[in-house]
Amino acid sequence: DVKVTQSSRYLVKRTGEKVFLECVQDMDHENMFWYRQDPGLGLRLIYFSYDVKMKEKGDIPEGYSVSREKKERFSLILESASTNQTSMYLCASTLGRAELFFGEGSRLTVL
Amino acid sequence: KQEVTQIPAALSVPEGENLVLNCSFTDSAIYNLQWFRQDPGKGLTSLLLIQSSQREQTSGRLNASLDKSSGRSTLYIAASQPGDSATYLCAATFYNQGGKLIFGQGTELSVKP
Repeated sequence: DVKVTQSSRYLVKRTGEKVFLECVQDMDHENMFWYRQDPGLGLRLIYFSYDVKMKEKGDIPEGYSVSREKKERFSLILESASTNQTSMYLCASTLGRAELFFGEGSRLTVL
Repeated sequence: KQEVTQIPAALSVPEGENLVLNCSFTDSAIYNLQWFRQDPGKGLTSLLLIQSSQREQTSGRLNASLDKSSGRSTLYIAASQPGDSATYLCAATFYNQGGKLIFGQGTELSVKP
């Protein structure tokens, strides 16, 4: 089975802190995605990557950056966390346009 | 703009009932459509993936259909059980969007014992 692992299920950070969310997949998928999910707003795409060292902005990239140094790992970075970035963050991966697999999610609270 | 819509936002049914969840999309140039299940506080679990060349896919008590001409997909759940209670989301990939999925808002299903 495909496994997408998000390193932290729950995080609590303070405003202005730098936050790293890590995601690792074990199936050699070329495509990886970061979404955030908020009540009433659904899933919104932050960034995605089609290959190592490649990244594309999604619908809401402001305040975020990403890193993909290795094929299996896709990191989401909040350079200076703000309270409006309190959310559930979901990582996903897929091979081409095939089935999309999600991690368990990381619930971030920014105080 | 390509959009995916799920109506209703919430649905409550008694145990044992057969039910249909709806998903509509605005662009017939759909590559594939995927149905997911999400339990509270968890990630999304893939249920079924239908390619544009297919009409339906089945997995156990679940059957998903795709009608490109009408811009609709349905997820049929047979003999519903309380354990089916979750939010169900559909997501479409379109030909001119690369690998990006466009998600519906989801339908929250509650199956009462």
